[in-house]
Amino acid sequence: ETGVTQTPRHLVMGMTNKKSLKCEQHLGHNAMYWYKQSAKKPLELMFVYSLEERVENNSVPSRFSPECPNSSHLFLHLHTLQPEDSALYLCASSQEKGEPYNEQFFGPGTRLTVL
Amino acid sequence: GENVEQHPSTLSVQEGDSAVIKCTYSDSASNYFPWYKQELGKGPQLIIDIRSNVGEKKDQRIAVTLNKTAKHFSLHITETQPEDSAVYFCAAPFYGNNRLAFGKGNQVVVIP
Repeated sequence: ETGVTQTPRHLVMGMTNKKSLKCEQHLGHNAMYWYKQSAKKPLELMFVYSLEERVENNSVPSRFSPECPNSSHLFLHLHTLQPEDSALYLCASSQEKGEPYNEQFFGPGTRLTVL
Repeated sequence: GENVEQHPSTLSVQEGDSAVIKCTYSDSASNYFPWYKQELGKGPQLIIDIRSNVGEKKDQRIAVTLNKTAKHFSLHITETQPEDSAVYFCAAPFYGNNRLAFGKGNQVVVIP
């Protein structure tokens, strides 16, 4: 595997279910991100992890819970979601080098549908 | 915070013609401007970026121009090909940190 991988690629869940999205990066990067992509809207940055510590949480509802066990893996735990949470969830990684604006490498995303 | 807008939302061009997408931003302190391309079923991929110390940057058939006074930058694609059909996102930094604010994206359709 190369680059950034995400599983599953598609997920359908009910509002009472609990599920997790997984992201793995094979690039040796030290920062990982979760974005939400909805139709006709800008990419929304949800969480940022740098060196396995959460450095940003952009007012995301608590029904989304991230986990970063090591620098290569990132999870997004989901519970009691709402239909408006249906979207494409993108994971990205970058190498923080002490200079701003490093290239972000995105995975293919998980298409989530909440019924 | 940064407000990034892209125009037009959809652009159709004949194969071989040029395509231009414009992006405006609100924070005059921003100094880094990337363009990402997202193909169907894939995540966005960086295709070109520019920093505020230059006005134009080219890479084969793509170029980005920056007008800091007017706070806009544009993506130029010349000799368009079917594989250029995708959604293109521009971005600019949030004020005060190195995170990026993305626009809504431009759908570019190249008609064979």
